[in-house]
Amino acid sequence: DAGITQSPRHKVTETGTPVTLRCHQTENHRYMYWYRQDPGHGLRLIHYSYGVKDTDKGEVSDGYSVSRSKTEDFLLTLESATSSQTSVYFCAIKRQRNTEAFFGQGTRLTVV
Amino acid sequence: AQTVTQSQPEMSVQEAETVTLSCTYDTSESDYYLFWYKQPPSRQMILVIRQEAYKQQNATENRFSVNFQKAAKSFSLKISDSQLGDAAMYFCAYEAGNQFYFGTGTSLTVIP
Repeated sequence: DAGITQSPRHKVTETGTPVTLRCHQTENHRYMYWYRQDPGHGLRLIHYSYGVKDTDKGEVSDGYSVSRSKTEDFLLTLESATSSQTSVYFCAIKRQRNTEAFFGQGTRLTVV
Repeated sequence: AQTVTQSQPEMSVQEAETVTLSCTYDTSESDYYLFWYKQPPSRQMILVIRQEAYKQQNATENRFSVNFQKAAKSFSLKISDSQLGDAAMYFCAYEAGNQFYFGTGTSLTVIP
């Protein structure tokens, strides 16, 4: 198994509260990604990082921000959670371009 | 924008039979990679097979093989001798540069 851990694994939060999800890797991989998975939509890219402090937006980045201050950690923050952000969130890592991605176990987030 | 389309939301196959899952993609890139991932009920994303776009030979991994038609931008997955453990959601994915794009998935049921 690739050394990638997501925390928390489950979370229930109230609308309007900030939420931070953490992705931690022990593989020293350069690329890290955050996806959300929703029925009928597959996995959609939220943000990604190609190095420390180097991040970029994906196709569904509105309402989300990220930070990567260390190679091993990639944080996803929902500044003010909304019910539409109820989803399963996956972190993925990739060693270099044109290689496969390895995924974390996912975080189920429910916004009530 | 890059898109990946899986037109079969659900498929079923008899145990020991063969099934083909379809995937098409749209890209203007010449250098890219294609993947099939499997997601069982455990939610873990597992790489099944990968194909480099510059290779004409179709990739094969044991009972899994692909039919890669570059001109048609088609990338189908064939599962031979289907087993009960093959039951899962299957995602087609496209990778170019830093980004990964996924289709909406095909749910495969294996009938004993």
